[in-house]
Amino acid sequence: QAGLTQPPSVSKDLRQTATLTCTGNSNNVGNQGAAWLQQLQGHPPKLLSYRKNNRPSGISERFSASRSGNTASLTITGLQPEDEADYYCSAWDTSLSAWVFGGGTKLTVL
Amino acid sequence: EVQLVESGGGLVLPGGSLRLSCAASGFTFSSYWMHWVRQAPGKGLVWVSRINNDGSSTIYTDSVKGRFTISRDNAKNTLYLQMNSLRAEDTAVYYCAGEKDAFEIWGQGTVVTVSS
Repeated sequence: QAGLTQPPSVSKDLRQTATLTCTGNSNNVGNQGAAWLQQLQGHPPKLLSYRKNNRPSGISERFSASRSGNTASLTITGLQPEDEADYYCSAWDTSLSAWVFGGGTKLTVL
Repeated sequence: EVQLVESGGGLVLPGGSLRLSCAASGFTFSSYWMHWVRQAPGKGLVWVSRINNDGSSTIYTDSVKGRFTISRDNAKNTLYLQMNSLRAEDTAVYYCAGEKDAFEIWGQGTVVTVSS
């Protein structure tokens, strides 16, 4: 089953802004948007946002999500060392009747 | 405390079977759709299966159809994954996850290794 496309790695300086992208198609990202998850090394994933930039309780406002067409984006402002992690997008695919994930982006904070 | 705890992983021979369990606590388990998601060593997340809140509807990724069965017991607040005809490529950490709108709740994962 086809997945979503994410850049393998992004590097940004401390306190700068990082924008991570996730490209799908009209059956998944373009239909209901994407969820974003953060996975710290050695830990399970944690949900950061879902659909139209909805953040679960306790998630910092430094994390914001958006969508343009078939591409979803996660913007992280004021980068901190603890933001260094793998970030995954995920979406329900109406054509596959399955959830699909992106391959993940490793964010390095310099 | 909201918690999901997986168990049942281990080392199994190719062609063998395992049954994973995921015990839920701290939230209304019967209100959540539940998923299994796996992660091979050094690789990304892969969705495996989903069951709706009352267990009447299940779906699977193509690579496990006919081999894996997801089920739940709401009276015991427990999710299951029966895995048969296991292959080397099924080797991964298996996470259970709860969905209200997306994957809100995650367990710590259980390791499944398929090897001779």
